Amino acid sequence: EVQLVESGGGLIQPGGSLRLSCAASGFTVSSNYMSWVRQAPGKGLEWVSVIYSGGSTYYADSVKGRFTISRDNSKNTLYLQMNSLRAEDTAVYYCARAMVRGKWPFDYWGQGTLVTVSS
Amino acid sequence: SYVLTQPPSVSVAPGQTARITCGGNNIGSKSVHWYQQKPGQAPVLVVYDDSDRPSGIPERFSGSNSGNTATLTISRVEAGDEADYYCQVWDSSSDHRVVFGGGTKLTVL
Repeated sequence: EVQLVESGGGLIQPGGSLRLSCAASGFTVSSNYMSWVRQAPGKGLEWVSVIYSGGSTYYADSVKGRFTISRDNSKNTLYLQMNSLRAEDTAVYYCARAMVRGKWPFDYWGQGTLVTVSS
Repeated sequence: SYVLTQPPSVSVAPGQTARITCGGNNIGSKSVHWYQQKPGQAPVLVVYDDSDRPSGIPERFSGSNSGNTATLTISRVEAGDEADYYCQVWDSSSDHRVVFGGGTKLTVL
């Protein structure tokens, strides 16, 4: 059974850093495109970043230069390193797996982890 | 950057048909995916590649895509279909970005 379990969220001051983890089971993280998607309180879904199976990474303009997506194949885990955090980064962060067939819809999502940036 | 436009809300009576639109420039040339999100839960894929359904999704959920508009159609709407719905595409022409629509709140009257 495919499962994605995020962790690492919490309350952090503006300018601080946080690393989110997404532990995967039931499939191999390196075989799929993997993304982070966030949702600010009461708002819609916002794509954050993607790491392709080949290792290429891409970011939304709002986080480029501050966030880094990576994976540890030995731990089958996806990460999001978040630096220089701002109040507007406050959101529930989801990791999501893209299907290998079709045009890469996100077929599995984690339960989300809440990041609150506030002094 | 590519923009997807959804109506903020759609209302429908039980048993009727709900249509949720997603507008984008020449969206018919892209593959559109649709997600359902209920309060406090993660999104769930309900339609992918314009009109395909993942296993476990009722046949009541269908999709179409042509020109500048993609549409999610929910037939014989039930109370349990009340949720937020999001369309999504991959915009490979724009730094490989994923784009979500703003979301549509479906209210079952």
